[in-house]
Amino acid sequence: AAGVIQSPRHLIKEKRETATLKCYPIPRHDTVYWYQQGPGQDPQFLISFYEKMQSDKGSIPDRFSAQQFSDYHSELNMSSLELGDSALYFCASSPGLLPSSYEQYFGPGTRLTVT
Amino acid sequence: AQSVAQPEDQVNVAEGNPLTVKCTYSVSGNPYLFWYVQYPNRGLQFLLKYITGDNLVKGSYGFEAEFNKSQTSFHLKKPSALVSDSALYFCAVRGYGSGNTGKLIFGQGTTLQVKP
Repeated sequence: AAGVIQSPRHLIKEKRETATLKCYPIPRHDTVYWYQQGPGQDPQFLISFYEKMQSDKGSIPDRFSAQQFSDYHSELNMSSLELGDSALYFCASSPGLLPSSYEQYFGPGTRLTVT
Repeated sequence: AQSVAQPEDQVNVAEGNPLTVKCTYSVSGNPYLFWYVQYPNRGLQFLLKYITGDNLVKGSYGFEAEFNKSQTSFHLKKPSALVSDSALYFCAVRGYGSGNTGKLIFGQGTTLQVKP
Protein backbone atom coordinates (compact mmCIF):
# COMPACT_ATOMS: atom_id res chain seq x y z
CA ALA A 1 0.00 0.00 0.00
CA ALA A 2 1.13 3.52 -0.74
CA GLY A 3 2.58 5.42 2.20
CA VAL A 4 3.38 9.01 3.00
CA ILE A 5 6.49 10.13 1.14
CA GLN A 6 8.84 12.74 2.49
CA SER A 7 11.82 14.29 0.79
CA PRO A 8 14.61 14.70 1.35
CA ARG A 9 15.23 12.08 4.02
CA HIS A 10 18.32 13.87 5.27
CA LEU A 11 19.28 17.51 5.01
CA ILE A 12 22.29 19.37 6.31
CA LYS A 13 22.18 23.15 6.36
CA GLU A 14 24.19 25.93 7.93
CA LYS A 15 22.84 28.54 10.29
CA ARG A 16 20.84 31.29 8.61
CA GLU A 17 20.23 29.17 5.52
CA THR A 18 16.81 28.10 4.27
CA ALA A 19 15.34 24.64 3.86
CA THR A 20 12.30 23.21 2.12
CA LEU A 21 10.79 19.91 3.18
CA LYS A 22 8.27 18.14 1.00
CA CYS A 23 5.47 15.77 1.86
CA TYR A 24 3.32 13.63 -0.44
CA PRO A 25 0.31 12.23 1.40
CA ILE A 26 -1.32 8.89 0.81
CA PRO A 27 -3.57 9.10 -2.28
CA ARG A 28 -7.05 10.43 -1.48
CA HIS A 29 -5.93 11.77 1.88
CA ASP A 30 -6.93 15.41 2.06
CA THR A 31 -5.40 16.38 5.40
CA VAL A 32 -1.72 16.88 6.12
CA TYR A 33 0.00 17.49 9.44
CA TRP A 34 3.57 18.52 10.22
CA TYR A 35 5.36 17.55 13.45
CA GLN A 36 8.81 18.25 14.83
CA GLN A 37 10.61 15.69 16.98
CA GLY A 38 13.73 16.82 18.80
CA PRO A 39 16.28 14.32 20.10
CA GLY A 40 14.70 12.17 22.77
CA GLN A 41 11.48 14.15 22.57
CA ASP A 42 7.91 13.39 21.62
CA PRO A 43 6.63 14.79 18.33
CA GLN A 44 5.29 18.33 18.58
CA PHE A 45 2.57 19.58 16.25
CA LEU A 46 3.54 22.42 13.95
CA ILE A 47 0.77 23.01 11.44
CA SER A 48 -1.97 21.25 9.48
CA PHE A 49 -3.88 21.66 6.25
CA TYR A 50 -7.26 20.44 5.10
CA GLU A 51 -8.27 20.76 1.46
CA LYS A 52 -5.37 23.14 0.82
CA MET A 53 -6.33 25.51 3.61
CA GLN A 54 -4.50 25.87 6.90
CA SER A 55 -6.65 24.18 9.51
CA ASP A 56 -4.63 24.45 12.70
CA LYS A 57 -1.39 25.94 13.93
CA GLY A 58 0.82 24.87 16.78
CA SER A 59 4.17 25.99 18.08
CA ILE A 60 5.58 26.87 14.69
CA PRO A 61 8.15 29.68 14.58
CA ASP A 62 7.41 32.70 12.44
CA ARG A 63 10.50 31.77 10.43
CA PHE A 64 8.62 28.70 9.18
CA SER A 65 5.82 28.67 6.66
CA ALA A 66 3.93 25.90 4.94
CA GLN A 67 1.31 25.32 2.33
CA GLN A 68 -0.66 22.55 0.69
CA PHE A 69 -0.87 22.49 -3.07
CA SER A 70 -3.62 21.51 -5.49
CA ASP A 71 -2.29 17.95 -5.71
CA TYR A 72 -2.42 17.81 -1.87
CA HIS A 73 1.32 17.64 -1.40
CA SER A 74 2.68 20.00 1.21
CA GLU A 75 5.89 21.91 1.71
CA LEU A 76 7.40 23.24 4.91
CA ASN A 77 9.68 26.20 4.33
CA MET A 78 12.19 27.09 7.02
CA SER A 79 14.26 30.25 6.90
CA SER A 80 17.04 31.74 9.02
CA LEU A 81 17.80 28.29 10.36
CA GLU A 82 19.05 27.99 13.91
CA LEU A 83 20.94 25.19 15.61
CA GLY A 84 17.81 24.43 17.62
CA ASP A 85 15.91 23.60 14.44
CA SER A 86 17.89 20.38 14.15
CA ALA A 87 15.26 17.68 14.51
CA LEU A 88 13.27 14.99 12.77
CA TYR A 89 10.37 16.49 10.86
CA PHE A 90 7.41 14.25 10.23
CA CYS A 91 4.55 14.66 7.87
CA ALA A 92 1.35 12.73 8.45
CA SER A 93 -1.83 12.41 6.44
CA SER A 94 -5.34 11.32 7.24
CA PRO A 95 -8.24 10.37 5.02
CA GLY A 96 -11.03 12.62 6.20
CA LEU A 97 -13.17 14.07 8.90
CA LEU A 98 -15.12 11.09 10.17
CA PRO A 99 -14.12 9.66 13.55
CA SER A 100 -13.49 6.35 11.86
CA SER A 101 -10.68 8.02 9.95
CA TYR A 102 -9.05 10.04 12.71
CA GLU A 103 -5.79 8.10 12.67
CA GLN A 104 -2.84 9.75 11.03
CA TYR A 105 -0.32 7.94 8.90
CA PHE A 106 3.22 9.14 9.24
CA GLY A 107 6.00 9.42 6.72
CA PRO A 108 9.56 8.30 7.47
CA GLY A 109 10.60 11.82 8.38
CA THR A 110 13.24 14.28 7.25
CA ARG A 111 16.23 14.57 9.52
CA LEU A 112 17.42 18.17 9.45
CA THR A 113 20.83 18.99 10.84
CA VAL A 114 21.80 22.63 11.20
CA THR A 115 25.51 23.30 11.65
CA ALA B 1 -6.48 21.38 27.26
CA GLN B 2 -5.84 17.83 26.15
CA SER B 3 -2.82 15.93 27.42
CA VAL B 4 -1.53 12.41 27.90
CA ALA B 5 1.04 11.06 30.29
CA GLN B 6 3.16 7.96 30.09
CA PRO B 7 4.50 7.41 33.59
CA GLU B 8 7.22 4.94 32.65
CA ASP B 9 10.27 5.91 30.62
CA GLN B 10 11.12 2.24 30.08
CA VAL B 11 9.41 -1.10 30.46
CA ASN B 12 11.39 -4.33 30.52
CA VAL B 13 9.77 -7.70 29.93
CA ALA B 14 10.95 -11.16 29.06
CA GLU B 15 9.96 -12.67 25.73
CA GLY B 16 6.74 -14.62 26.03
CA ASN B 17 5.51 -12.68 29.04
CA PRO B 18 2.59 -10.28 28.89
CA LEU B 19 3.40 -6.61 28.55
CA THR B 20 1.64 -3.41 29.58
CA VAL B 21 2.60 0.12 28.62
CA LYS B 22 0.68 2.69 30.63
CA CYS B 23 -1.03 5.86 29.47
CA THR B 24 -3.35 8.28 31.24
CA TYR B 25 -5.18 11.12 29.61
CA SER B 26 -6.78 14.42 30.42
CA VAL B 27 -9.38 15.81 28.03
CA SER B 28 -12.40 18.01 28.02
CA GLY B 29 -14.99 16.17 26.01
CA ASN B 30 -14.82 12.80 24.32
CA PRO B 31 -11.33 11.32 24.27
CA TYR B 32 -9.98 10.07 20.97
CA LEU B 33 -6.92 8.02 21.88
CA PHE B 34 -4.18 6.40 19.85
CA TRP B 35 -1.08 4.27 20.20
CA TYR B 36 1.88 4.56 17.86
CA VAL B 37 5.17 2.68 17.74
CA GLN B 38 8.47 4.11 16.55
CA TYR B 39 11.47 2.01 15.59
CA PRO B 40 14.91 3.66 15.48
CA ASN B 41 15.25 6.20 12.68
CA ARG B 42 11.78 5.39 11.43
CA GLY B 43 8.43 7.10 11.30
CA LEU B 44 5.58 6.43 13.66
CA GLN B 45 3.41 3.44 12.89
CA PHE B 46 -0.25 3.43 13.87
CA LEU B 47 -1.17 0.54 16.18
CA LEU B 48 -4.72 1.19 17.33
CA LYS B 49 -7.26 3.79 18.32
CA TYR B 50 -10.21 4.31 20.63
CA ILE B 51 -12.99 6.48 19.27
CA THR B 52 -16.10 5.01 20.81
CA GLY B 53 -17.66 1.63 21.53
CA ASP B 54 -15.98 -1.35 23.17
CA ASN B 55 -13.47 -0.51 25.85
CA LEU B 56 -11.09 -3.21 24.61
CA VAL B 57 -9.58 -2.22 21.30
CA LYS B 58 -7.59 -4.63 19.17
CA GLY B 59 -4.88 -3.41 16.86
CA SER B 60 -1.92 -4.42 14.77
CA TYR B 61 0.73 -7.03 15.63
CA GLY B 62 -1.35 -8.58 18.43
CA PHE B 63 -1.55 -5.40 20.49
CA GLU B 64 -4.67 -4.30 22.29
CA ALA B 65 -5.57 -1.44 24.58
CA GLU B 66 -8.12 -1.02 27.31
CA PHE B 67 -9.99 2.24 27.65
CA ASN B 68 -10.98 2.98 31.24
CA LYS B 69 -13.03 6.13 31.62
CA SER B 70 -13.15 6.13 35.42
CA GLN B 71 -9.37 5.87 35.65
CA THR B 72 -8.78 8.02 32.55
CA SER B 73 -6.38 5.40 31.26
CA PHE B 74 -5.64 3.76 27.94
CA HIS B 75 -3.01 1.11 28.62
CA LEU B 76 -1.42 -0.82 25.78
CA LYS B 77 -1.19 -4.58 26.25
CA LYS B 78 0.02 -7.71 24.56
CA PRO B 79 -0.44 -11.23 25.92
CA SER B 80 2.96 -12.52 24.79
CA ALA B 81 5.85 -10.17 24.04
CA LEU B 82 8.31 -10.68 21.20
CA VAL B 83 11.87 -9.41 21.01
CA SER B 84 10.83 -7.61 17.83
CA ASP B 85 8.33 -5.56 19.87
CA SER B 86 11.26 -3.65 21.36
CA ALA B 87 10.71 -0.04 20.31
CA LEU B 88 9.50 3.36 21.47
CA TYR B 89 5.77 3.58 22.10
CA PHE B 90 3.74 6.78 22.10
CA CYS B 91 0.26 7.32 23.42
CA ALA B 92 -1.58 10.24 21.82
CA VAL B 93 -4.83 12.11 22.14
CA ARG B 94 -6.56 14.03 19.42
CA GLY B 95 -6.54 17.71 20.13
CA TYR B 96 -9.24 20.13 19.16
CA GLY B 97 -8.17 22.84 16.81
CA SER B 98 -10.14 25.08 14.55
CA GLY B 99 -12.49 23.12 12.35
CA ASN B 100 -12.62 19.36 12.64
CA THR B 101 -9.04 18.43 11.92
CA GLY B 102 -7.31 17.71 15.21
CA LYS B 103 -3.60 17.59 15.84
CA LEU B 104 -2.21 14.69 17.85
CA ILE B 105 -0.82 15.44 21.29
CA PHE B 106 1.74 12.84 22.30
CA GLY B 107 2.90 11.50 25.60
CA GLN B 108 6.58 11.42 26.46
CA GLY B 109 7.05 7.95 25.06
CA THR B 110 7.92 4.64 26.70
CA THR B 111 10.79 2.47 25.58
CA LEU B 112 9.84 -1.18 25.57
CA GLN B 113 12.69 -3.62 25.93
CA VAL B 114 11.88 -7.29 25.41
CA LYS B 115 14.67 -9.63 26.38
CA PRO B 116 15.07 -13.16 25.05
